[in-house]
Amino acid sequence: AQKITQTQPGMFVQEKEAVTLDCTYDTSDPSYGLFWYKQPSSGEMIFLIYQGSYDQQNATEGRYSLNFQKARKSANLVISASQLGDSAMYFCAMRLFYNQGGKLIFGQGTELSVKP
Amino acid sequence: EPEVTQTPSHQVTQMGQEVILRCVPISNHLYFYWYRQILGQKVEFLVSFYNNEISEKSEIFDDQFSVERPDGSNFTLKIRSTKLEDSAMYFCASRVDRAFSGANVLTFGAGSRLTVL
Repeated sequence: AQKITQTQPGMFVQEKEAVTLDCTYDTSDPSYGLFWYKQPSSGEMIFLIYQGSYDQQNATEGRYSLNFQKARKSANLVISASQLGDSAMYFCAMRLFYNQGGKLIFGQGTELSVKP
Repeated sequence: EPEVTQTPSHQVTQMGQEVILRCVPISNHLYFYWYRQILGQKVEFLVSFYNNEISEKSEIFDDQFSVERPDGSNFTLKIRSTKLEDSAMYFCASRVDRAFSGANVLTFGAGSRLTVL
């Protein structure tokens, strides 16, 4: 069975500083994808970044990067130069390649607050 | 940019009433999903739908729930007899296909908030 764990219910960061949101996962399947979504207070789910299990390099998308450590089964999100608009819930999620329906399984989320 | 559209944005209903939540997925997408998020909790998978049938459903998706794609564009979630614990945000999502790539991600709608009194 697959599982995603986010151990930080809440995080604070000063504006313009970098912050790392932790995510660990558990699966015995060798083929999977890892995703991060942002959920602002308005409620929508916004895709941020994707990392495939066979990708050799860590994914980056603008100020977002994913610190993928396969042996440790971790996929931490790094946000550089935090902005006030980054304040939101952040969810890590995983999808298994073999799963026909392609569902995403989510972690519990981390609430990030950016201080001015 | 294409988007997944959900209606209504908020629905208040009495316990025991039937509710239908509607979604219009992105037009070229083939896989459709419903997720649920109880206030302050994580996003939970309910059901996936492909080729006009359910691909997978979670234990939450019991006989009170059903999904339908009646006309090739709408994708609906029906709750037959709502309970208090069905109060949640319901998200519809869609994906192009099964391929694994950064471009083929699950796109979510803005959600439908259901309040059961």
